[in-house]
Order: sequence, then C-alpha cells, then structure tokens
Amino acid sequence: QVQLQESGPGLVKPSETLSLTCDVSGFSISQGFYWGWIRQSPGKGLEWIGHTHHSGIAAYTPSLKSRVTITVDTSKNQFSLTLTSVTATDTAVYFCVRRLSGYDEQFFDSWGRGTLVIVSS
Amino acid sequence: DIEMTQSPDSLSVSLGERATINCKSGQSLLHSFDNRNYLAWYQQRPGQPPRLLISWTSTRESGVPDRFSGGGSGTDFTLTINGLQAEDVAVYYCQQYFSVPLTFGGGTRVDIK
Repeated sequence: QVQLQESGPGLVKPSETLSLTCDVSGFSISQGFYWGWIRQSPGKGLEWIGHTHHSGIAAYTPSLKSRVTITVDTSKNQFSLTLTSVTATDTAVYFCVRRLSGYDEQFFDSWGRGTLVIVSS
Repeated sequence: DIEMTQSPDSLSVSLGERATINCKSGQSLLHSFDNRNYLAWYQQRPGQPPRLLISWTSTRESGVPDRFSGGGSGTDFTLTINGLQAEDVAVYYCQQYFSVPLTFGGGTRVDIK
C-alpha cells in the first residue's frame, strides 16, 4: 500500500521560498499516477496546488502558477514542492497526494499526514 | 473556477440515524461525452488527512462501508450516511474534477447528538 510522508521546514520567512519533499513508499513513482500537493488553512479550506507526472505533464492552480513548481525525482522515489515569495497567506498544512492515473481521474486516493508551514518573520 | 458550496456547515445526528450532506456546484459537473458527474467525496477525521470515500458521484472506494452513499447530478449532489457510527464523526468535503482548478467545498462537520 502506498504511503506518503512530507518533510521540510515548519517556519519560513516572508518573501522567501517554501520547499517541501514527499517521500513515497510502497509504490514506484515511475510506474505512473500523478503526484501533487494540496494545502489546508482555516481561512481557505482545502486548496489544490497542483500535480505532476514523471513524464513532465503538470497542472497548477492559476492563482499560484507563477510561484509554484512541483518536480519528481524517480531515483529517490520522491517529489517536491517549491513555492516562492511566500506571505502569511501561504501559512497552511500542506498535504502531498497521489492523483489517479486516468486522464479524467483528477481526484486523490492517497494522502500524506500533512505538515504545518507557518510563514512569519 | 467552479465554486463548491456545502450545506449545512455542521450536523448533529444520533447514532444509528441518517446524515445527509449537500454539495452544490457553480456549474454542471455532468460531462456530455461520457454522461458522468465529476464529483468526489472525502472524509477527514480529527487529526487525520482527508480520505477518499466516493468518486464519480456514487462509486465507493474499496473498504468504504456501504452505509456511505453518494447521489445527484448536474449541480446538486448528496452524501448520505445511513446508520451513523461513532467512527463517522468527521468533516466531509466534496470536490469537483470537471475542470481545473480543482476545487473543494467548505466542508460539513458531522458529530453525534
């Protein structure tokens, strides 16, 4: 059974870059599916950030697209989130997720436990 | 963006009774080429990540008890829990995947009366 585990700093200063990694076990990323990030904050609820495939196909939410990159490292069986120029509104619990593999199956069957990231000086 | 609106915000139900959660989308989630509604439901228990319960409006994931059922079409959807159990205390979210950006409802909290 696939398991996802987020890691990264819990505190990031405003204007700096948020970087998180998700380690995947029980499934090889190179076998397929899409790998992505969703965040949850009290003010905005659940917010889809984006997802990517090891082939390079990716989709991002328009409101964050200019600041977000999601990359996959098949050699380490992990994927990463980079969010630049953060502000307090980026404070949230960040979940790494697996999206189904079908073209139109844009829902999420596996979730990490989530990691809280606070943006503050 | 497709706005997803859930109601009620919270719900208290006696053990063994029925809970019904509503989800309304800002536009139809019914794709004409395959006649399917692009809607999923998730359960988030306290302190846990969301868990996929139902996809394609009414298809339960493996391991999801059959007391959970989903229905609806177009812009109006429901999640029904028949015979509420203590372990069903959670927040429930709907999610549309008809178009990007993928969007979620604000959640409905279910607890025991």
